[in-house]
Amino acid sequence: QKEVEQDPGPLSVPEGAIVSLNCTYSNSAFQYFMWYRQYSRKGPELLMYTYSSGNKEDGRFTAQVDKSSKYISLFIRDSQPSDSATYLCAGRGVSNFGNEKLTFGTGTRLTIIP
Amino acid sequence: NAGVTQTPKFRVLKTGQSMTLLCAQDMNHEYMYWYRQDPGMGLRLIHYSVGEGTTAKGEVPDGYNVSRLKKQNFLLGLESAAPSQTSVYFCASSYGESYTFGSGTRLTVV
Repeated sequence: QKEVEQDPGPLSVPEGAIVSLNCTYSNSAFQYFMWYRQYSRKGPELLMYTYSSGNKEDGRFTAQVDKSSKYISLFIRDSQPSDSATYLCAGRGVSNFGNEKLTFGTGTRLTIIP
Repeated sequence: NAGVTQTPKFRVLKTGQSMTLLCAQDMNHEYMYWYRQDPGMGLRLIHYSVGEGTTAKGEVPDGYNVSRLKKQNFLLGLESAAPSQTSVYFCASSYGESYTFGSGTRLTVV
């Protein structure tokens, strides 16, 4: 079982819709949870991160973490064609050296249709 | 612009050949990482470094070696390339919760 599971999609929604992207994780040691956005043929870029359970909002983006069910969500409001990308969730655990490293989901490919 | 620079951007190797991928960061980050990204597999950690002169194995280290002789550089080496190493390789550096990725190296082994 992968430590972070993510539906690969693809997911297509019309412009202006609310998008919901989800991941589940199995590692109880995860403390930080990130969402990365990756445009085609580019490196991932950090979109948002949350610590432990709760919500975090940044403009049109909201990240949610429910540690009791090990569930991570990203909501995009008023979606735009420029939001079309692959979205990667990640959890941050602890390595053998006591330093934290990221474990990624496989990514969900999102297309916003004008 | 500050960030992570990877060279080369593209490379085609024959089976058995060797090569080195270079990653350079100018943000003075202690931690650096090498990931590979394959369809359906996501990003998988190959090796990482927690500071100059240190390296450690990640999730998929076999067939790769790394070196961190200078804080700003992290090198990934393939001693004898295999078709299974065809992938997109990403370098990243981090400070706290912030990871910065390079733009990737597309490697094809034929």
